[in-house]
Amino acid sequence: DTEVTQTPKHLVMGMTNKKSLKCEQHMGHRAMYWYKQKAKKPPELMFVYSYEKLSINESVPSRFSPECPNSSLLNLHLHALQPEDSALYLCASSQDRGNTGELFFGEGSRLTVL
Amino acid sequence: AQSVAQPEDQVNVAEGNPLTVKCTYSVSGNPYLFWYVQYPNRGLQFLLKYITGDNLVKGSYGFEAEFNKSQTSFHLKKPSALVSDSALYFCAVRASSNTGKLIFGQGTTLQVKP
Repeated sequence: DTEVTQTPKHLVMGMTNKKSLKCEQHMGHRAMYWYKQKAKKPPELMFVYSYEKLSINESVPSRFSPECPNSSLLNLHLHALQPEDSALYLCASSQDRGNTGELFFGEGSRLTVL
Repeated sequence: AQSVAQPEDQVNVAEGNPLTVKCTYSVSGNPYLFWYVQYPNRGLQFLLKYITGDNLVKGSYGFEAEFNKSQTSFHLKKPSALVSDSALYFCAVRASSNTGKLIFGQGTTLQVKP
């Protein structure tokens, strides 16, 4: 099973809402990632979890709050977002944080902030 | 600092003709290089990687890439393009530190015409 599952596929929220994006993998990977992608642009790294601990935060605004409840799950909690936060949010996993392993990406959650 | 350049925003090729999507890199230390493909409204799919060894790397869907250390290039190739290969292609390099960061190029849109 080489799949990263993201829910929901689409999300529309107002600037005062609180919502969450969810990501799940069952490949036994110990590194998980959140990326943000604008249309036709490369993904931008937001967070890296390694062995369920946050190892990288790319200076992401606090209105984005990641959580890794266990080795298979990764959440991204959203609160008080801005319209410019509308984007495709991609979750990925890799065997570990090492340099030689490829990342496996989910299909993404397309977020629209009104 | 590590970086990846994809000099062409778009590559157009006729179906059945060979295709090349260019990528050059700048890293300190050994380069760990990856190619990903993204179809519209989808996540990124891993195509192939170069870690060490043979300079010609074969990957998914008939794609291959040639690592050239002297030219610091890692061009993606396919002998015979299909219309279904039309997509956005990203070259990426893992940062030399063991952080898990994947640095993407700006992406190249491949258009294969029938």
